[in-house]
Amino acid sequence: NAGVTQTPKFQVLKTGQSMTLQCAQDMNHEYMSWYRQDPGMGLRLIHYSVGAGITDQGEVPNGYNVSRSTTEDFPLRLLSAAPSQTSVYFCASSSVGATNEKLFFGSGTQLSVL
Amino acid sequence: GENVEQHPSTLSVQEGDSAVIKCTYSDSASNYFPWYKQELGKGPQLIIDIRSNVGEKKDQRIAVTLNKTAKHFSLHITETQPEDSAVYFCAATLGSSNTGKLIFGQGTTLQVKP
Repeated sequence: NAGVTQTPKFQVLKTGQSMTLQCAQDMNHEYMSWYRQDPGMGLRLIHYSVGAGITDQGEVPNGYNVSRSTTEDFPLRLLSAAPSQTSVYFCASSSVGATNEKLFFGSGTQLSVL
Repeated sequence: GENVEQHPSTLSVQEGDSAVIKCTYSDSASNYFPWYKQELGKGPQLIIDIRSNVGEKKDQRIAVTLNKTAKHFSLHITETQPEDSAVYFCAATLGSSNTGKLIFGQGTTLQVKP
């Protein structure tokens, strides 16, 4: 059982470039979310989804887009990368229906924007 | 906006001693309070959680207490071991766990000295 899989593990972008961070889970979880982790600031919620076709904004959604076309996948898109988006990104899914309880986290994507 | 404050930011204890990490939250409607442990290079992992209708919960050497009136909750680790060394995060739901938003504290780096 793979759990929550994030790709890539590392990425370097130039300012203005676009890219998609992939997240897939094989546990049939309804709820999925994206967090960014910065030193001294904990984990901040970017976007979340309570099921296929449903997404909503978190604390820091600006500069990021998401979609949820299937239960398994929840990609995060950076349309025009900025140095302020340098961070470690985590995807998580919940084993408790459409709630944010008992989250399973992926291993993270370390992104650097130059 | 609503937030979660976590203290201390770093904590160093001798093996066998107890460790206590404290968090306060601002949203009186919060009803779910998890604690996550993050080891170096990995995603956070749930270690214990508590609902707003419970005052205390224990799981072996780990316990969480909740004071709804004061809006604070704490993690207690007894008989600490070197493998307890990690970053610990508290979190609280914004509203109920069905609203989708889970807000994290800034994290506490725990070092257990052998």
